[in-house]
Amino acid sequence: IAGITQAPTSQILAAGRRMTLRCTQDMRHNAMYWYRQDLGLGLRLIHYSNTAGTTGKGEVPDGYSVSRANTDDFPLTLASAVPSQTSVYFCASSEKGSGANVLTFGAGSRLTVL
Amino acid sequence: GQNIDQPTEMTATEGAIVQINCTYQTSGFNGLFWYQQHAGEAPTFLSYNVLDGLEEKGRFSSFLSRSKGYSYLLLKELQMKDSASYLCAVPNSNYQLIWGAGTKLIIKP
Repeated sequence: IAGITQAPTSQILAAGRRMTLRCTQDMRHNAMYWYRQDLGLGLRLIHYSNTAGTTGKGEVPDGYSVSRANTDDFPLTLASAVPSQTSVYFCASSEKGSGANVLTFGAGSRLTVL
Repeated sequence: GQNIDQPTEMTATEGAIVQINCTYQTSGFNGLFWYQQHAGEAPTFLSYNVLDGLEEKGRFSSFLSRSKGYSYLLLKELQMKDSASYLCAVPNSNYQLIWGAGTKLIIKP
């Protein structure tokens, strides 16, 4: 089934540890995105990539890094996790990286930092 | 800057009609999106409006007034499966989506 796969589904992590959330899409979409969703707040963009080989900072990039080595994969890394990074993380993709595009979302990764 | 406001929660009865409002402030306008998100699941696309007026898709319709910075999502013949959060989003000048906090819709039998 075409779509976005995120892993892990859920993770509990000690503060200070490094963590990589994985995201893979099989739709050959050019653009990919990482959002975090917290109770009472809208989805907030962490980082994005309009095409393979390029990345950009979103609204809340601090403490996170991404890479886009190929079209399909867009991992999100927390170099040294802190409790404020406890959240649900959604990876998304869109066909194009320019213009207003419909996003397709992965199922999410629930991260708890203690 | 940009800002999006929607009610936090609404309750409606199965079989009825409900209107979920969204107001926005944006420096430019590149359309408005509505997404549905069931609890514990990913958001899924419902509609995209770029011109004023009402667009109907089955039981769901979306309305836009650019002059008023206002949109609504109209859900008819409500079913229990419509219990979800409804997210309003507008692209900023870089076409990155700015999201409202979402409206949690509770359907009662």
